[in-house]
Formats: sequence, structure tokens, C-alpha cells
Amino acid sequence: AQKITQTQPGMFVQEKEAVTLDCTYDTSDPSYGLFWYKQPSSGEMIFLIYQGSYDQQNATEGRYSLNFQKARKSANLVISASQLGDSAMYFCAMRDEDSGYALNFGKGTSLLVTP
Amino acid sequence: DVKVTQSSRYLVKRTGEKVFLECVQDMDHENMFWYRQDPGLGLRLIYFSYDVKMKEKGDIPEGYSVSREKKERFSLILESASTNQTSMYLCASTPREFWDEQYFGPGTRLTVT
Repeated sequence: AQKITQTQPGMFVQEKEAVTLDCTYDTSDPSYGLFWYKQPSSGEMIFLIYQGSYDQQNATEGRYSLNFQKARKSANLVISASQLGDSAMYFCAMRDEDSGYALNFGKGTSLLVTP
Repeated sequence: DVKVTQSSRYLVKRTGEKVFLECVQDMDHENMFWYRQDPGLGLRLIYFSYDVKMKEKGDIPEGYSVSREKKERFSLILESASTNQTSMYLCASTPREFWDEQYFGPGTRLTVT
């Protein structure tokens, strides 16, 4: 069975600083996909970034990048140059082939960006 | 622009009532999902469907059922609502490609009193 662990319930970062949100996972599948989603207080889930297990390079999308360390089974999200609008819950998730490609989510990290 | 819509953003129901949560997607996606979100627990899968009239139980199906009569619509049914079903309910859809993101609806915050 898959498991996603996010060990930081809450994080603070100052505006314009970089922040790393941790995610570790456990799976026996050789092929898997990892996702990060952002959930602002309004409640919608916003897709940020995807990393495939066989991707040669770490994924990047604008200010978001993934520090993917396959041997350590970690996929940490790095947000560079934090903005006030980055304050939200962040969820790491892994695709589950046995559930129609549903996502197994971690419990999330609440990020607060301060001026 | 891709879209997943849910019938209500907020819903208040009484214990014992039958509750219908509707989800519609306009992307012709095969797979659809219902999740429940509770503080400190993340999102948990209730049911999923990979085709019309097909449904499979997720991790927490007890107390819920689903219906998928058309490809674009996936309904979650609480046969007899209970207070422990007070939660945020999120619908999502995805095509069958492994690498594709999941598209979420805005969520329904259900309160059962």
C-alpha cells in the first residue's frame, strides 16, 4: 500500500524568501507519479507540479520546483520568492493505479507567508 | 478551460435525511472521484468510477453510495445523513493517462445537524 507523509503541520516564511515543504512516500511500485496541490482558504484544489518516477530531471513550474530524491523516497516542494498569496494548505499526493488513478494524499502543510 | 462543478458550495441537512451531492465535468474524462476532507486527515477517497455505470469503493465508503448514469455526471449519496458525515466533499476527474493531473471541483461543505 502507498503512504504519503508530510511531517510539517505548519510553516512560516517571510515574503520573498524561499521555503521547502517536505514530503516522503512509500510504495513498492517501480512506476509512480507524485503531485503537489495548493488549497487556499477558499477551498479549491490547485494543481502545482508533477514528478514522474522515471523523469530524468526534477520538475519545475515557475516559482515551484521539486527536489526529487528517489533513493530517499522524498519529493519536497520548493517555493522560491514567496508571496503573500502563497499562504495556503499544500498537499503532496501519489497516484494509485489500483483506484482508477485516484490520489493518495498526505495530511498537508499549512504555509503562512508574512510581510 | 476545463471545469468540474459541484451542485452546492454549502449545504445544511438534518440527521437521517437523504443527501445528494452532484458533480459534473465537461472534459469528457473517464475517471471520476469523490473525496472527503477533514482537518488533520487530508483527503480520503470515498468512491471512484472509471466508466459509466461502473463504481468502485475507495478507502471510506461506509455510509455512502454513488451513481454514474452519464459520463459527465457523478453523484454522491448519503442514504441517511449522520453528524459524523459533516465534512468538505470534493469531486475530481481525470483522463486515463497516468501522468495527467486530477481536476477538482470547488467543494461542498456539508453540515449535518
